[in-house]
Amino acid sequence: AQSVTQLGSHVSVSEGALVLLRCNYSSSVPPYLFWYVQYPNQGLQLLLKYTSAATLVKGINGFEAEFKKSETSFHLTKPSAHMSDAAEYFCAVTVTGGFKTIFGAGTRLFVKA
Amino acid sequence: DTEVTQTPKHLVMGMTNKKSLKCEQHMGHRAMYWYKQKAKKPPELMFVYSYEKLSINESVPSRFSPECPNSSLLNLHLHALQPEDSALYLCASSQDQGGKGETQYFGPGTRLLVL
Repeated sequence: AQSVTQLGSHVSVSEGALVLLRCNYSSSVPPYLFWYVQYPNQGLQLLLKYTSAATLVKGINGFEAEFKKSETSFHLTKPSAHMSDAAEYFCAVTVTGGFKTIFGAGTRLFVKA
Repeated sequence: DTEVTQTPKHLVMGMTNKKSLKCEQHMGHRAMYWYKQKAKKPPELMFVYSYEKLSINESVPSRFSPECPNSSLLNLHLHALQPEDSALYLCASSQDQGGKGETQYFGPGTRLLVL
């Protein structure tokens, strides 16, 4: 069965610092991997997705993620945090041929001034 | 237009009430989804419609009844809910490429409180 694990339910960084949100996946077949962001009282917005075209995926708002098969990881990074990045971030996996998306537990990002 | 709209934004209902949540998209997507999200938890898939046919039902209790009248609309009919059903209900849509890494577009959700 496919699953994702997000390490750290809360991450706190200073404004301007590197953002690193960790995600490890479990899948017996090549997965499709996603990062979504959810701001308070809103729905989810896609940041980026991996579909095997390239291992380094660039997304919106300066975020990027690198697919590492050897480490079964898909960590999300941003070089310089902004106050507006404070939100809940979800890593998710979908298996080929299925519509079912499995979300990780989420990581709340706090950005300190 | 990359927007998924949901109405109402907030809903308070008693356990004997019947209500409906509505979702609409005009992106030409042929797959539509209902998710339930409890506070501080990830979304949990409830139903998926593909080309207006129910494709996935994640063993959801029958007090939740989905309906897809056409390719742009998705309803969730609620009846005899329990207080534990209080949550944020999210609708999403995707192009429907046979489940090949579908990008889902989410609506803002309906926050439901069952008294």
